[in-house]
Amino acid sequence: DAKTTQPTSMDCAEGRAANLPCNHSTISGNEYVYWYRQIHSQGPQYIIHGLKNNETNEMASLIITEDRKSSTLILPHATLRDTAVYYCIVRGAAGNKLTFGGGTRVLVKP
Amino acid sequence: NAGVTQTPKFQVLKTGQSMTLQCAQDMNHEYMSWYRQDPGMGLRLIHYSVGAGITDQGEVPNGYNVSRSTTEDFPLRLLSAAPSQTSVYFCASRPAGDRVKNEQFFGPGTRLTVL
Repeated sequence: DAKTTQPTSMDCAEGRAANLPCNHSTISGNEYVYWYRQIHSQGPQYIIHGLKNNETNEMASLIITEDRKSSTLILPHATLRDTAVYYCIVRGAAGNKLTFGGGTRVLVKP
Repeated sequence: NAGVTQTPKFQVLKTGQSMTLQCAQDMNHEYMSWYRQDPGMGLRLIHYSVGAGITDQGEVPNGYNVSRSTTEDFPLRLLSAAPSQTSVYFCASRPAGDRVKNEQFFGPGTRLTVL
């Protein structure tokens, strides 16, 4: 599975959009991009995934560049409850495991 | 549904002791897995199972055993606890047919300290 690179931490103002970048320059054609988040002391929670096209659900939007070497998770209106560590994961559809890196620690401030 | 449950929530062991961390899910998920998370780090896969009677190793399996006799339960056994196994342990499950979306449901974790 391709390796991902994320900033260690970032702050965001409550009510504003939070844009979380992820680099995955070695991604191969059949690998998906997944985002999970982990709120303090809890188990990780699935957010969204995508292959090529941009994706949106009730939690977030995922923007994948045309060359697929990077992506951005967008939390449209960040709330204090969005404070968490966000993990960007690249994985082939046939794989069974998720490889969690260090993630980005997001602090939403009032 | 209770989702994924783990017991105990906290455990302190002495070096050399053995114990079993329990994990159960009531969603009829075929796939289950165990991860450990050391302080300030991401999760690392210990063992996983794609169905009853089938288990396989993850990236850090040494010192741990698993078995899967039922769909619902996936216990993790520490054979002889070592201080290096001090960690938070998470169990997760997902439906077998969900391989692309791969939405894994995680339990609340077991915080283990080995003295």
